[in-house]
Amino acid sequence: QKEVEQDPGPLSVPEGAIVSLNCTYSNSAFQYFMWYRQYSRKGPELLMYTYSSGNKEDGRFTAQVDKSSKYISLFIRDSQPSDSATYLCAMTRGTGFQKLVFGTGTRLLVSP
Amino acid sequence: GAVVSQHPSWVICKSGTSVKIECRSLDFQATTMFWYRQFPKQSLMLMATSNEGSKATYEQGVEKDKFLINHASLTLSTLTVTSAHPEDSSFYICSASSGQGAIYEQYFGPGTRLTVT
Repeated sequence: QKEVEQDPGPLSVPEGAIVSLNCTYSNSAFQYFMWYRQYSRKGPELLMYTYSSGNKEDGRFTAQVDKSSKYISLFIRDSQPSDSATYLCAMTRGTGFQKLVFGTGTRLLVSP
Repeated sequence: GAVVSQHPSWVICKSGTSVKIECRSLDFQATTMFWYRQFPKQSLMLMATSNEGSKATYEQGVEKDKFLINHASLTLSTLTVTSAHPEDSSFYICSASSGQGAIYEQYFGPGTRLTVT
């Protein structure tokens, strides 16, 4: 079993839709949870991070962490064609330990 | 913002030859650099962690004699794939950290696509 599971997609939505991207994980030691956006043939770009459980909002993006269920989500409101990319979740244990464990990424396609 | 560059962005080499990939932090000093490999439709897999002036720490299953990592300065790390074979064809991505920020503050380079023929 992989430490982090993520549906690879693709997930196709029309412009303006609310997008929900999710990851599950098995290691209860994970404390920091990140979402990265990766355009084709480019390096990942950090979108949001969350420490422990809870919600965090940044513009059109909301990250949720439910540690009891080992489940994290990224919501994108009013999706735009420019949001079309692969979204990777990543997580790590804690301060001073910077090894990131990534999901496979979900490819998102937002059509005009 | 923090910028990390990689060179080359794309390289084709023949089986049996060696290839060097450079990773540079352009506007900050990177005490730690990470090297990842990403196969199509798969997640980024950490290969090794390097601290400036120290030997790299390799992840389990990564051959240190095949993937030579040098982190000789605070702005440059290199990955050399020695005696490359077609199965080494992949997307190699580095990231860099100043070591002073939060745990999530790793800045990724744009990646290098290696094709071994």
